[in-house]
Amino acid sequence: QKEVEQNSGPLSVPEGAIASLNCTYSDRGSQSFFWYRQYSGKSPELIMSIYSNGDKEDGRFTAQLNKASQYVSLLIRDSQPSDSATYLCAVNARGGGTSYGKLTFGQGTILTVHP
Amino acid sequence: EAEVAQSPRYKITEKSQAVAFWCDPISGHATLYWYRQILGQGPELLVQFQDESVVDDSQLPKDRFSAERLKGVDSTLKIQPAELGDSAMYLCASFGANVLTFGAGSRLTVL
Repeated sequence: QKEVEQNSGPLSVPEGAIASLNCTYSDRGSQSFFWYRQYSGKSPELIMSIYSNGDKEDGRFTAQLNKASQYVSLLIRDSQPSDSATYLCAVNARGGGTSYGKLTFGQGTILTVHP
Repeated sequence: EAEVAQSPRYKITEKSQAVAFWCDPISGHATLYWYRQILGQGPELLVQFQDESVVDDSQLPKDRFSAERLKGVDSTLKIQPAELGDSAMYLCASFGANVLTFGAGSRLTVL
């Protein structure tokens, strides 16, 4: 079992729809959770971080965390063609100290938003 | 906006040759990481530095890979000899203010 798994893609949604991206992780002691967006040929850029159970909203993006179910999700409302990218879920297993940036990534989900 | 600088952006080499990648983190960031991303996969950690010291290199193939950060600022990742399976994007990242910021990456193609 992979440490971080994302729902298999690619995911295609029409412009204006809600895109839902899912991620599960195996290490129950994981502390910090991140969503990165990666355009083709570019490096990952952080779009959301979440540390406690519940929802966290930032503009059109909402991250949801359920530690009991070891599940993280990202919702993108009013999807735009510019949202078309690979979305990477990343988990920091232990957190704290010098290990904050030591992330385990999922394989990514390719999202396509079509006009 | 502060950036993580990497060079070269692209490198094509033949197998058995040596290659090197350079990274300059965001000023003041003591923690630096090298990740490798194979096409279609997520990044995987190769090595972590805290200042000039290696904190974790457990995933670094030490028979052919080496990394250094001599003065605790910029860093170099070297591969010698390169193998076909090393073709990937090599990403440098630095950590500060609870944010991990990636550089643009160095795309390596081994022929």
